[in-house]
Amino acid sequence: GENVEQHPSTLSVQEGDSAVIKCTYSDSASNYFPWYKQELGKRPQLIIDIRSNVGEKKDQRIAVTLNKTAKHFSLHITETQPEDSAVYFCAARVNAGKSTFGDGTTLTVKP
Amino acid sequence: GAGVSQSPSNKVTEKGKDVELRCDPISGHTALYWYRQSLGQGLEFLIYFQGNSAPDKSGLPSDRFSAERTGGSVSTLTIQRTQQEDSAVYLCASSLWGRTSTYEQYFGPGTRLTVT
Repeated sequence: GENVEQHPSTLSVQEGDSAVIKCTYSDSASNYFPWYKQELGKRPQLIIDIRSNVGEKKDQRIAVTLNKTAKHFSLHITETQPEDSAVYFCAARVNAGKSTFGDGTTLTVKP
Repeated sequence: GAGVSQSPSNKVTEKGKDVELRCDPISGHTALYWYRQSLGQGLEFLIYFQGNSAPDKSGLPSDRFSAERTGGSVSTLTIQRTQQEDSAVYLCASSLWGRTSTYEQYFGPGTRLTVT
């Protein structure tokens, strides 16, 4: 089955700096890659996603890149703010099936 | 409109007892997923329902776990003879469905299960 690895497990940055979180996946059939933000005690919320026919997608300060050949994808957050502090999860999916999640990255943005 | 709802929000049970967790998906969402999140961990897939198709049960950790979805809407996850390692937050998600399409999964608030 699918296996998703996520790095780093913790990331601390200064406010205004950029943060990068990387994931690799094993199943070449995976074609949908969402990223979720989960604040303490809250449900995961989708922040950005990318499909396998696209190499990069941006939404304001957030961008995701996908390298299908290498089977890895990354989340980039620019101009980080304290409210970006949360746990971020990547996931991989084949069409509408189950999502396989990474173990999460705890991002701390220091003011 | 209303999002995914789950009940109860918290459940404390004694080891060996059975529990039922409920999920009400977003109206019109034919796909429904159950995940489990242990403290400080990622989400672990349990089971997936789509319409009238046979569910994907490949993530259920043991035969103590079962789930059903009545009328294509509400779903119940049942854990029999609970063990302490079952303690976790159980998250339900729903989405629209397309055979070769992908749609956002919307998560419910979760049920925090504690087995004492």
